[in-house]
Amino acid sequence: QSVLTQPPSVAGTPGQRVTIVCSGSRSNIGIRPVNWYQQLPGTAPKLLIYSNNQRPSGVPDRFSGSRSGTSASLAISGLQSEDEAAYYCSAWDDSLNGQVFGGGTKLTVL
Amino acid sequence: EVRLVEFGGGLVQAGGSLRLSCAVSGFRFDNYAMAWVRQAPGKGLEWVSAIIGSGARTHYADSVNGRFTIARDNSRNVLYLQMNSLRAEDTATYYCVKDDLTVFAVAWGQGTLVTVSS
Repeated sequence: QSVLTQPPSVAGTPGQRVTIVCSGSRSNIGIRPVNWYQQLPGTAPKLLIYSNNQRPSGVPDRFSGSRSGTSASLAISGLQSEDEAAYYCSAWDDSLNGQVFGGGTKLTVL
Repeated sequence: EVRLVEFGGGLVQAGGSLRLSCAVSGFRFDNYAMAWVRQAPGKGLEWVSAIIGSGARTHYADSVNGRFTIARDNSRNVLYLQMNSLRAEDTATYYCVKDDLTVFAVAWGQGTLVTVSS
């Protein structure tokens, strides 16, 4: 049972927009910045979004993040086949005094 | 270029010990906090432990507290994870990650697999 809650899977067709929601609490997302990671099959995760809505250099602007209250969202627009991956949200938890992750969401591009 | 290379994984019996190492290059090692994150086969990511740049402060997940020890050698640019009293549920790929000021895990190694047989 992960501290942050994500849907196990989402799906979309090429060109579509999909959103992944990450639900937390006042001790993590409510007061701490959220990061998102992308894990392509068979590879190590990669930082995709940091500080709720910032993109590292090299990440396409099709990827965007937001936070509201104790939830965060990752939106992917103009879906492409290479976006098929697992996506994880993460934040520091002040009560647990550690970094927590969501359970991960597998994105399938139909 | 930031580079993180883990080694030291392998097969170990339950109750045994293993030490993971992570050799880093491409940045001023002692300026950055580092951490270990693991992923059990077919499962999600789990934060394991973290250490600040000087090594003076460490944090552990409850699941490993008292069994694992994180350390660093800033003169050699190496991060360690000493794992004792290993359990079957510790079986996972262990990733070394670099923090960047307030951003967690801006860079990841390729991972090293630890298998604990019961």
